[in-house]
Amino acid sequence: QLQLQESGPGLVKPSETLSLTCAVAGDSMRSTYYRWGWIRQPPGKGLEWIGSVSHSGDTSYNPSLTSRATMFVDTSRSQFSLSLTSVTAADTSIYFCARQHPYYYGSGSPYWYIDLWGRGTLVTVSS
Amino acid sequence: EIVMTQSPVTLSVSPGERVTLSCRASQRIGINLAWYQQRPGQSPRLLIHGASTRATGIPARFSGSGSGTEFTLTISSLQSEDFAVYYCHQYNAWPPYTFGQGTKLDIK
Repeated sequence: QLQLQESGPGLVKPSETLSLTCAVAGDSMRSTYYRWGWIRQPPGKGLEWIGSVSHSGDTSYNPSLTSRATMFVDTSRSQFSLSLTSVTAADTSIYFCARQHPYYYGSGSPYWYIDLWGRGTLVTVSS
Repeated sequence: EIVMTQSPVTLSVSPGERVTLSCRASQRIGINLAWYQQRPGQSPRLLIHGASTRATGIPARFSGSGSGTEFTLTISSLQSEDFAVYYCHQYNAWPPYTFGQGTKLDIK
């Protein structure tokens, strides 16, 4: 059964870099079929997509993060990671890792919906 | 960026009732819409993708409909475990993927 588990520091100082890893249990990461993403949720608020990465390392990010986000995938270790630089209090959130599943209409490019989520990890930005 | 607007923000209902949640997209998104349920302290769970396709293991009391800019999620007979926050999510155009602000179902 596939599981995703986030790990990383729960407290980061302002202006520093937030680094998280998502471990993927099961054999999904051996497949080129999925994309792997990060979504965050400020406590008590809604969801914000941060970005995603493919099996080959192709990335896409939310423009609102103004190039602060970087994602990497390590299929040999069945994990992927997120780095977010120059954090402020506004980056305090629960961070979820997730799997994106493709849907194809005919032979065109796929559309990617999120089908599985990790449990999430709270990251607080504070001095 | 496609803005997703859900209504109502909060809905107070009784167990056994039928409820319909709405989601509107600021641009046409075909049927590239998903619905998620988030219980307190848990991560979101996929209910519906492709606007109307139930995910694996989701009870038949959950149904989705719509296309273009207007979508609905209907729960035919509310169970106690259904009181949660529901989010819609468009995956038609990215980056970024976007979510609605959520609809919270409260027990009346």
